[in-house]
Amino acid sequence: QQQVKQSPQSLIVQKGGISIINCAYENTAFDYFPWYQQFPGKGPALLIAIRPDVSEKKEGRFTISFNKSAKQFSLHIMDSQPGDSATYFCAARRQGAQKLVFGQGTRLTINP
Amino acid sequence: GAGVSQSPSNKVTEKGKDVELRCDPISGHTALYWYRQSLGQGLEFLIYFQGNSAPDKSGLPSDRFSAERTGGSVSTLTIQRTQQEDSAVYLCASSLGRNTDTQYFGPGTRLTVL
Repeated sequence: QQQVKQSPQSLIVQKGGISIINCAYENTAFDYFPWYQQFPGKGPALLIAIRPDVSEKKEGRFTISFNKSAKQFSLHIMDSQPGDSATYFCAARRQGAQKLVFGQGTRLTINP
Repeated sequence: GAGVSQSPSNKVTEKGKDVELRCDPISGHTALYWYRQSLGQGLEFLIYFQGNSAPDKSGLPSDRFSAERTGGSVSTLTIQRTQQEDSAVYLCASSLGRNTDTQYFGPGTRLTVL
């Protein structure tokens, strides 16, 4: 059962554009939603995270938008740069649990 | 400071052999996790340690997979009688403790079963 569905699988954006990656979840017991960034040959690294008591969180060029009623959240990368080219994973964690449930990943390419 | 380290970085083995993968978490981190990343897939949870005990083993795919943690630090993931479908990148992560959010990942061990 795919508890967190991520789209698109791949995304190409021009430098300076906005990159948008979407995730949807099923389990209403999830209470923590992080995004991880992974470069080739490296482990994933936490980029930004949100809890369901807020609808948006911004850190620099990265913003999470959260829609609790729709059970959806998205990552927006403003002014996308070639250095942002990586694979991005959304994830979710159930209240009281420790493990993260990951989406399938989005390979983002920023063209110069 | 030092991050999570894993060894070996690459492992090629023959079907039916046993393999051991090692994880050294960040010093002082009491929580440790193993995940598996198959080609083009997301990360799949395998097991979680708090200290030396494993309160959540729900992701281990079969009894060929086992893990242990000693001294509240180093962890070893063992796969017995490896199969081709075990080929994947095995990632270890650690966090400061129970109910802390950020999991810090190591670079992974790429396992190839021929």
